[in-house]
Amino acid sequence: GNSVTQMEGPVTLSEEAFLTINCTYTATGYPSLFWYVQYPGEGLQLLLKATKADDKGSNKGFEATYRKETTSFHLEKGSVQVSDSAVYFCALSDTGGYNKLIFGAGTRLAVHP
Amino acid sequence: KAGVTQTPRYLIKTRGQQVTLSCSPISGHRSVSWYQQTPGQGLQFLFEYFSETQRNKGNFPGRFSGRQFSNSRSEMNVSTLELGDSALYLCASRRGRDRTNEKLFFGSGTQLSVL
Repeated sequence: GNSVTQMEGPVTLSEEAFLTINCTYTATGYPSLFWYVQYPGEGLQLLLKATKADDKGSNKGFEATYRKETTSFHLEKGSVQVSDSAVYFCALSDTGGYNKLIFGAGTRLAVHP
Repeated sequence: KAGVTQTPRYLIKTRGQQVTLSCSPISGHRSVSWYQQTPGQGLQFLFEYFSETQRNKGNFPGRFSGRQFSNSRSEMNVSTLELGDSALYLCASRRGRDRTNEKLFFGSGTQLSVL
């Protein structure tokens, strides 16, 4: 079945460091890919998405490119801030429907001043 | 515009009891889905409702059920609670079901603890 694999955390960085969180997927067909972020005590917020191969999603300085050849959707940010500390989830839309997301395990990011 | 509202925010129950969680979607959103979040299993899809009909269901036992009302509000019910049902239950809504409008809006969740 479809699945998402994320790099394990926690990832600890200093402010202004470069961030990469790896995400690979297994899927039949052509799913849409998403990154969601969860701040402490809150629900998930959509960070960015890509709906087809070679699409680049971007938001708030974060970027991810839908790479069909490597089945990857790595999240990157050039300069992280303390306020980016959160848990990041990679997800894909399952063939059963666009509300049926399959999530990775999540990667906790801690950014220190 | 109010976001997705889930009540209650916290709930403590004992094994064998049943529980009902409530979700009010964003105004105008007709699609509601539910997810269970646990440290061990991560985020798992429970079910999806659109126009009062269940459209999709995840791999959970029949003890987990839900419904949607004509105003799009949704409830989920868990009967005969087990310790393993302790989790954060997240509700998400979106306007429709088509691919062009894929953004899901999540509530803050209901934290259920089963003792």
